[in-house]
Amino acid sequence: NAGVTQTPKFRILKIGQSMTLQCAQDMNHNYMYWYRQDPGMGLKLIYYSVGAGITDKGEVPNGYNVSRSTTEDFPLRLELAAPSQTSVYFCASHGRLSNQPQHFGDGTRLSIL
Amino acid sequence: GQNIDQPTEMTATEGAIVQINCTYQTSGFNGLFWYQQHAGEAPTFLSYNVLDGLEEKGRFSSFLSRSKGYSYLLLKELQMKDSASYLCAVDGSGNTGKLIFGQGTTLQVKP
Repeated sequence: NAGVTQTPKFRILKIGQSMTLQCAQDMNHNYMYWYRQDPGMGLKLIYYSVGAGITDKGEVPNGYNVSRSTTEDFPLRLELAAPSQTSVYFCASHGRLSNQPQHFGDGTRLSIL
Repeated sequence: GQNIDQPTEMTATEGAIVQINCTYQTSGFNGLFWYQQHAGEAPTFLSYNVLDGLEEKGRFSSFLSRSKGYSYLLLKELQMKDSASYLCAVDGSGNTGKLIFGQGTTLQVKP
């Protein structure tokens, strides 16, 4: 059982480039989330989804986009990379009940130079 | 506004007991989670409280007082491997499961 899988694990981008961070889960979870974590800080919610076809903004959505065409996948898109987007990105999911803990992927470490 | 406060850093001795506090102010409350995060790794679930009182799970316990907006994580018989960041997170979102995280408390366990 793979859980939550994120790819790539590391990436360096130039300012203005675009990329998609991939997230897939095999637990049939409805709820999925994208967070960013800056050094020494907690996690900040970027976008979330409560099911296929449904997405909504979190606390820090500017500069990002998401889609949720299937239950399994929840990709995060950066259209015009900026140095302020240098961070560690975590994808998480949980099942039907909101009191279930979120399961996190291993993260993508992204540097924008 | 919504706010979660935790101490930034704590230091404790191997074999001792340490208490990590968390205070929160949120517009709603569906439960409070504690996660452990080792350096360079993903957060992993430790505990969940939705009712007032103490939840015990092995060496770790978590306490909640909803009236005071207060929780703590108690770690007993500290081991070197307990050196990590401990994240307090509140679900105040209705039924979306969205969590608001504190900045985390970095615990260093010394021999």
